[in-house]
Amino acid sequence: NAGVTQTPKFQVLKTGQSMTLQCAQDMNHEYMSWYRQDPGMGLRLIHYSVGAGITDQGEVPNGYNVSRSTTEDFPLRLLSAAPSQTSVYFCASSYKGRLDEQFFGPGTRLTVL
Amino acid sequence: GQQVMQIPQYQHVQEGEDFTTYCNSSTTLSNIQWYKQRPGGHPVFLIQLVKSGEVKKQKRLTFQFGEAKKNSSLHITATQTTDVGTYFCAAGGSNYKLTFGKGTLLTVNP
Repeated sequence: NAGVTQTPKFQVLKTGQSMTLQCAQDMNHEYMSWYRQDPGMGLRLIHYSVGAGITDQGEVPNGYNVSRSTTEDFPLRLLSAAPSQTSVYFCASSYKGRLDEQFFGPGTRLTVL
Repeated sequence: GQQVMQIPQYQHVQEGEDFTTYCNSSTTLSNIQWYKQRPGGHPVFLIQLVKSGEVKKQKRLTFQFGEAKKNSSLHITATQTTDVGTYFCAAGGSNYKLTFGKGTLLTVNP
């Protein structure tokens, strides 16, 4: 099993550009989530999904969109990148949501100029 | 939304000293998880606590969940250089979300 994979590993964008961060898992987990990590701020939840076709907002959803068309994939879209979105983004998955071990991907380091 | 306070933010110890990080919530939690993140890496699950007053041990690591299920602690006995990293608690409330603390960065002087 590959576990949770994320692409790209690094990305540099200009303000106003859009892009999609990819996340995939091969563990048949129903629950998937996106976090951003900034220095001194811990991990903040952006969006999460409890199953295919179901998504909901986390703590810091503004500027981000998600969709969950399959169990395996949970892409995160930045609609119009801003410097405040410079961060490290982690995707995570688990079998039973918050009551279960979260498996994290390796992260995407995003810089917005 | 739910907030989780984690202290201290930083801790520097000499190898062999003990280390403790604390996690506190103003609301009753359904569960609490602990993660470790090595520098440049991703968070890795350590343990989950669910029951009031629960204590679990993993070698030199001891995890506790408070009687009121509002606080938790992670204690490392006789730290080693391999313990270096950031330790996060993650709290589960009444919804589907996990709320992470800001983490405690542990550095160990050999």
